[in-house]
Amino acid sequence: DIQMTQSPSSLSASVGDRVTITCRASQSISIYLNWYQQKPGKVPRLLIYTASSLHSGVPSRFSGSGSGTDFTLTISSLQPEDFATYFCQQSYSAPSFGQGTRLEIK
Amino acid sequence: EVQLLESGGGLVQPGGSLRLSCAASGFTFSNYAMNWVRQAPGKGLEWVSGIKGNGGRTNYVDSVKGRFTISRDNSKNTLYLQMNSLRAEDTAIYYCAKELTVRSEFDCWGQGTLVTVSS
Repeated sequence: DIQMTQSPSSLSASVGDRVTITCRASQSISIYLNWYQQKPGKVPRLLIYTASSLHSGVPSRFSGSGSGTDFTLTISSLQPEDFATYFCQQSYSAPSFGQGTRLEIK
Repeated sequence: EVQLLESGGGLVQPGGSLRLSCAASGFTFSNYAMNWVRQAPGKGLEWVSGIKGNGGRTNYVDSVKGRFTISRDNSKNTLYLQMNSLRAEDTAIYYCAKELTVRSEFDCWGQGTLVTVSS
């Protein structure tokens, strides 16, 4: 099984900040890495798929990069609606998720 | 508009069974693989099971193998999850999720149904 590890587990930032969240796989997963956003009491929302492809309707301030074992999600300029929990997920083999990164307002 | 609506959750005793359903609309159901993903209260996401569009291939997370069975009825646009021998650690919100392509990117999620396993 492939283990996914996100860092940090939580993060405090301000509106307008540039934020980067990291996800590491326990083995190479090529580019098969997806990112989701989940707000409290809401359903997860797909943001990025295959490492860097922006899903339909997702603002361009979100971007993803990486390949192999190391990946990043970047939010270029935080907006108030971006404060949420973010999960990475590998789809190279049987899917597995990272533990989540909680992004809070500073 | 793509819609997924889960049902069938509830309170069940350890060792009991439940059958979850997910009614799909707004897309050609048989063309897409479907999955179940769960989230224990206050915890992260865990993929549970997936099934290809024609129902010909299924897979499961190790912790539910031999206890859970995923299936689909493409004539009814409905996905199922039969859960047997339920344990306390199966307590979670269960979401059905549609795949964007064939690589298990989950682009559409239902609202979820809560399963509570407790005596």
